[in-house]
Amino acid sequence: NAGVTQTPKFQVLKTGQSMTLQCAQDMNHEYMSWYRQDPGMGLRLIHYSVGAGITDQGEVPNGYNVSRSTTEDFPLRLLSAAPSQTSVYFCASSFDLGGLNTGELFFGEGSRLTVL
Amino acid sequence: AQSVSQHNHHVILSEAASLELGCNYSYGGTVNLFWYVQYPGQHLQLLLKYFSGDPLVKGIKGFEAEFIKSKFSFNLRKPSVQWSDTAEYFCAVNAAPSGTYKYIFGTGTRLKVLA
Repeated sequence: NAGVTQTPKFQVLKTGQSMTLQCAQDMNHEYMSWYRQDPGMGLRLIHYSVGAGITDQGEVPNGYNVSRSTTEDFPLRLLSAAPSQTSVYFCASSFDLGGLNTGELFFGEGSRLTVL
Repeated sequence: AQSVSQHNHHVILSEAASLELGCNYSYGGTVNLFWYVQYPGQHLQLLLKYFSGDPLVKGIKGFEAEFIKSKFSFNLRKPSVQWSDTAEYFCAVNAAPSGTYKYIFGTGTRLKVLA
């Protein structure tokens, strides 16, 4: 199994450009989420989804959009990139047991984004 | 809303020293608690987790953590650290038992173990 796959691994954008970070998992996990990791700030939750067609905001959702049309995919869109969005982004998924998300998170390798 | 506090941002220890990393969470309902580790250049991996039952949980690589409900704490311990434990450690909480599915992390503690 590939687990959680993120693309691209590295990306440089100019302010105002848009892009999509892709995330796919092959473990049939219902729960998927996006985090950003910044020095001294830990991991901050951007958006999450508990199943296809269901998404919700995390701690720092502004400037990001998500959708969940299939169980496998959970793309993160930056509509108009800003330097403050320079960060390392992690996608993570988890098995949802009986409606309760009690499991560990499985992380992708990360995507390093630089906005100039 | 949930929140997680990790008090130690940087810890430096010599090999064989004992380790305790603090973690406190804020949430009024039932939670699940986790410790994750991130080795240099790698993504996060689960060390251990607490759902219910025995408040002392054991994880991989000799780590353990104790849940003290009255203190809202979930501190990570290891009796004798090794150089290979050099990494960043994150405490995390989700309130899924209470119907909230946000998975919230603390700011992390960087551990450096001197050989």
